[in-house]
Amino acid sequence: GAVVSQHPSWVICKSGTSVKIECRSLDFQATTMFWYRQFPKQSLMLMATSNEGSKATYEQGVEKDKFLINHASLTLSTLTVTSAHPEDSSFYICSARVLAGSYNEQFFGPGTRLTVL
Amino acid sequence: SQQGEEDPQALSIQEGENATMNCSYKTSINNLQWYRQNSGRGLVHLILIRSNEREKHSGRLRVTLDTSKKSSSLLITASRAADTASYFCATDAYGSARQLTFGSGTQLTVLP
Repeated sequence: GAVVSQHPSWVICKSGTSVKIECRSLDFQATTMFWYRQFPKQSLMLMATSNEGSKATYEQGVEKDKFLINHASLTLSTLTVTSAHPEDSSFYICSARVLAGSYNEQFFGPGTRLTVL
Repeated sequence: SQQGEEDPQALSIQEGENATMNCSYKTSINNLQWYRQNSGRGLVHLILIRSNEREKHSGRLRVTLDTSKKSSSLLITASRAADTASYFCATDAYGSARQLTFGSGTQLTVLP
């Protein structure tokens, strides 16, 4: 199947700093990538939909100025958590969508564990 | 946003037994997918069932879909300790966004 990578796999930062997370589709082109956040023992919550070459669409309650998304190429989307605070500590997962006919299969990255001190 | 619920929230069984997880959703769907997540890892796609299908098999997995009840079930037969993970259903609703909406998940523990 298609492979999606994320970098870094984990990061620890001080409160107030910014952190960039990369999501790459390694062997296919993804016009759409999704960013999710997952708190411990909870499900994935969609944060935003990232379309190559256009602005991301954010879910209700997600601050677009705090979670900056850039999807500059068909294989790379980045999520920057600006001025991170301890409550931003979470597991961030990206996925890249492959549309085949009427299917909508998403391939997920391994996730990035963010800890804000 | 979460569309539906999964039950049970947690399931603990002995190796060799079958495990059944249920998923309910709220809106009309194009298809429903099941994913597996090992602790602290990303998601792995298991199986996709389209809205016009009622049952699908893949190895030890059997998925059913009842669109009239807006529910699906995932059966894992002859479970193994390596099946221990969280299992999520995800619905693909009609619409331009084609986002996946995840259920609350079932934590499966298979005891050796």
